[in-house]
Amino acid sequence: GAVVSQHPSRVICKSGTSVKIECRSLDFQATTMFWYRQFPKQSLMLMATSNEGSKATYEQGVEKDKFLINHASLTLSTLTVTSAHPEDSSFYICSARDKDPRETQYFGPGTRLLVL
Amino acid sequence: GQQVMQIPQYQHVQEGEDFTTYCNSSTTLSNIQWYKQRPGGHPVFLIQLVKSGEVKKQKRLTFQFGEAKKNSSLHITATQTTDVGTYFCAGRRYSTLTFGKGTMLLVSP
Repeated sequence: GAVVSQHPSRVICKSGTSVKIECRSLDFQATTMFWYRQFPKQSLMLMATSNEGSKATYEQGVEKDKFLINHASLTLSTLTVTSAHPEDSSFYICSARDKDPRETQYFGPGTRLLVL
Repeated sequence: GQQVMQIPQYQHVQEGEDFTTYCNSSTTLSNIQWYKQRPGGHPVFLIQLVKSGEVKKQKRLTFQFGEAKKNSSLHITATQTTDVGTYFCAGRRYSTLTFGKGTMLLVSP
């Protein structure tokens, strides 16, 4: 099946620094990639949808300037958490959708961010 | 906006008992997807239902999509300890995919 990787899997950073998370589709072309965050014991919350070559669409309440998303190619999307604060600590998961007509999303393994 | 409600939030069963989680959408869906997340892991896609009234089976798991395409259920027959995890439904309407809050299943041996 389709594989989506995320890097890094874990990151600890100091408050005020920026962190970049990469999401790659390894064996298919991801026209669309999604970024989610998940707090402990809670559901996934969609942050934004990115289409290759165009600007990401952010969900209501998600700050565009804080969570920068770039989808430069059909296999790579990046999420940069700028000026991270402790409240940004969370589990960030990306998913990618190929051109399969079933529109299945394949999830990455997630990135656990801890901001000190 | 579109809302997807999932019940129950939590269920604890004895191994061998059956389990069902229900998903209800405030709007008609294009399709519905189910995911399983093991403790500490990430959600893994299980299945997608598209047609009204569709029923699909995966071994002990039975998935149903309602006739009105607004609700769905996942039924596990004779649960096993390996079934432990959180089961999420996600309803798609146009380009939006909305996840339910998930049902956490705990299975005692």
